Amino acid sequence: QVQLVESGGGVVQPGGSLRLSCTASGFIFSSYGMHWVRQAPGKGLEWVAFIRYDGNNKYYADSVKGRFTLSRDNYKNTLYLQMNSLRPEDTAVYYCAKERSSRYGDFLDYWGQGTLVTVSS
Amino acid sequence: AIRLTQSPSSLSASVGDRVTITCRASQGITSALAWYQQKPGKAPNLLIYDASTLESGVPSRFSGSGSGTDFTLTISSLQPEDFATYYCQHFYSYPRTFGQGTKLEIK
Repeated sequence: QVQLVESGGGVVQPGGSLRLSCTASGFIFSSYGMHWVRQAPGKGLEWVAFIRYDGNNKYYADSVKGRFTLSRDNYKNTLYLQMNSLRPEDTAVYYCAKERSSRYGDFLDYWGQGTLVTVSS
Repeated sequence: AIRLTQSPSSLSASVGDRVTITCRASQGITSALAWYQQKPGKAPNLLIYDASTLESGVPSRFSGSGSGTDFTLTISSLQPEDFATYYCQHFYSYPRTFGQGTKLEIK
C-alpha cells in the first residue's frame, strides 16, 4: 500500500533553514509527480510546491518562491523540501502528497501524516 | 491565481441529515476539482475527484457535482464519522489553490 513518511520538522529561528524529507513506498515513485501542502495551526490547507516525476519541472506558491526549493532522489524514493529564510508565518504542519492522473488533470490522492515546522525565536 | 470560495464556512447538522457544501471558482476550471475530508490531527483524505468521481473505498453517501465554476459536495445521510472539515481543491493550473474549508459539526 502507498506510504508517505515525512521527517525533518522541528523548531528553527526566523531566518534559519530546514530540510524536510518524504520517503515513499508502495508505488513506483519515479513515475509520479509529488507535492507539498502545509497547514498553519488552526488554519486551512495551503498548497506549497510541485515537482514533476523526473524532477525537470517545478512550481511554487508565491508565498515561498525564492526561499523554498523542491528536489527528489528517485533512487532513494525520497522527496525533499529545502526551506531557507524561514519566517514565523511558515509555521505549519507540512504534508507531502502523491498525485494521480485523471481525465481532467493531476490531483492529490495519497498524503503523508505530516511534519511540524515551528519558526520562533 | 484561481480563488476557490466555499460556503458555508461552518455547518451544524444532525445524524441522518442531508448536507450540501458549495465551492465556487473565480474562473472556469472544467471539472478539475477534488474534495477532501480532514479530521483533527489527521492528513486530508480524498473523497471525490474530477468533480464527481467517487474515490475507491469512499461510502456512496458522498457525491459531487458541477463543472466550470460551481461545484457541490453532498452527503446524503450524515453518519457520526462524517463530522469533519471538508476542502475543495482545483487542479486546473498552478498554483493549486484550496477552498478555505467547511467545518461540519454535530447539532
